[in-house]
Amino acid sequence: EPEVTQTPSHQVTQMGQEVILRCVPISNHLYFYWYRQILGQKVEFLVSFYNNEISEKSEIFDDQFSVERPDGSNFTLKIRSTKLEDSAMYFCASTRTGVNTGELFFGEGSRLTVL
Amino acid sequence: GQNIDQPTEMTATEGAIVQINCTYQTSGFNGLFWYQQHAGEAPTFLSYNVLDGLEEKGRFSSFLSRSKGYSYLLLKELQMKDSASYLCAVRYTNAGKSTFGDGTTLTVKP
Repeated sequence: EPEVTQTPSHQVTQMGQEVILRCVPISNHLYFYWYRQILGQKVEFLVSFYNNEISEKSEIFDDQFSVERPDGSNFTLKIRSTKLEDSAMYFCASTRTGVNTGELFFGEGSRLTVL
Repeated sequence: GQNIDQPTEMTATEGAIVQINCTYQTSGFNGLFWYQQHAGEAPTFLSYNVLDGLEEKGRFSSFLSRSKGYSYLLLKELQMKDSASYLCAVRYTNAGKSTFGDGTTLTVKP
């Protein structure tokens, strides 16, 4: 069964460093998302991406964050200068269609620890 | 702002039925989702409602009333492996912006 894959599974970084989290969505999917979940808290929407551009972003997704799809398969989330409060599990998700669709397919997540 | 309320914790017995309620107040509505999340794992999709009524999928059913801003997830014939967090989420824009509830931690006891 096709799945969303994410790398790395766990990254530890120093505050102020840049981090890139990578995702390979399911191949025939067109809509891509990043969510995050701080330990013990709710899942939070960060950004949606379609047709090589951001469709929507949340208040969390400030200028420190960026996304791109550099080569038609990878979908990356970059955090330019990490802060302690960026420590969280970051989930990539994809879906074949956007509006009026059911299932979001989530990757296994990348755990980011900022020291 | 967007708000979703669901109970924090529930306990039920193996083989029983449990209903997890969710109420929401959002600026728009484009579907309500239920996900299951085991500790340390990604959410996995359980059900999707966009129209009022009941959707049944094996041991799981989900109900939606848009006028009341209310949904429930019904789990039948509970198994120990159903012990997990159950997340109610509402997609409130056409571009996929979603808000999640805090999750309901269900413990199934023998």
